[in-house]
Amino acid sequence: EVQLVESGGGLVKPGGSLRLSCAASGFTFDYYTMNWVRQAPGKGLEWVSSISTSSSSVYYADSVKGRFTISRDNAGNSLFLQMNGLRAEDTALYYCARVVTQDTAMVIDAFDIWGQGTMVTVSS
Amino acid sequence: EIVMTQSPVTLSVSPGERATLACRASQSVGISLAWYQQKPGQAPRLLIYLASIRATGIPARFSGSGSGTEFTLTISSLQSEDFAVYYCQQYNNWPTGFGPGTKVDIK
Repeated sequence: EVQLVESGGGLVKPGGSLRLSCAASGFTFDYYTMNWVRQAPGKGLEWVSSISTSSSSVYYADSVKGRFTISRDNAGNSLFLQMNGLRAEDTALYYCARVVTQDTAMVIDAFDIWGQGTMVTVSS
Repeated sequence: EIVMTQSPVTLSVSPGERATLACRASQSVGISLAWYQQKPGQAPRLLIYLASIRATGIPARFSGSGSGTEFTLTISSLQSEDFAVYYCQQYNNWPTGFGPGTKVDIK
């Protein structure tokens, strides 16, 4: 079964840090660009970051640039998001998501596989 | 940055009726447009990509059309399980982005 499982969320104070993880299974992880998408409580979807298959290309939303770092471990079939300098507005459910298209290059694409999300709450 | 808008905000439909949802991009995205369905407490589910291609396992009652800046998702005969929030996404240009969503509820 193709699956993504996120972990690492929690309650953190403003200015704090968290590292999210996403464990992939059921597909050849290193064939796909991977992504983080977040959803604030009661709000819509916001793309956060993308990373290419070889980690050679990364993109970030302006709202997190300079504070968040995306990375991946192809040998361990895992995706990560290091979040520093957290703000109240970063409070959201964070999803990891796979793109539709297999490609060794960075792919901007639709997302066909999603995890169930991990909740990040930034509050004092 | 391309801005995505969706209309209406809420669509009230009776089971068995047709639903038509609109998505507009602030500049052309070609056919790099996807539609997602999200139910409460669940992750989004890909319905349509490349504007009109149904994703794996998506029933034929869901169809997508359009190109450039104007797109439509049509649900031909609403089933009880279709009441949800629907989002469009453009992936023609970085940053990729989503519309604000249309909630389809029971009339």
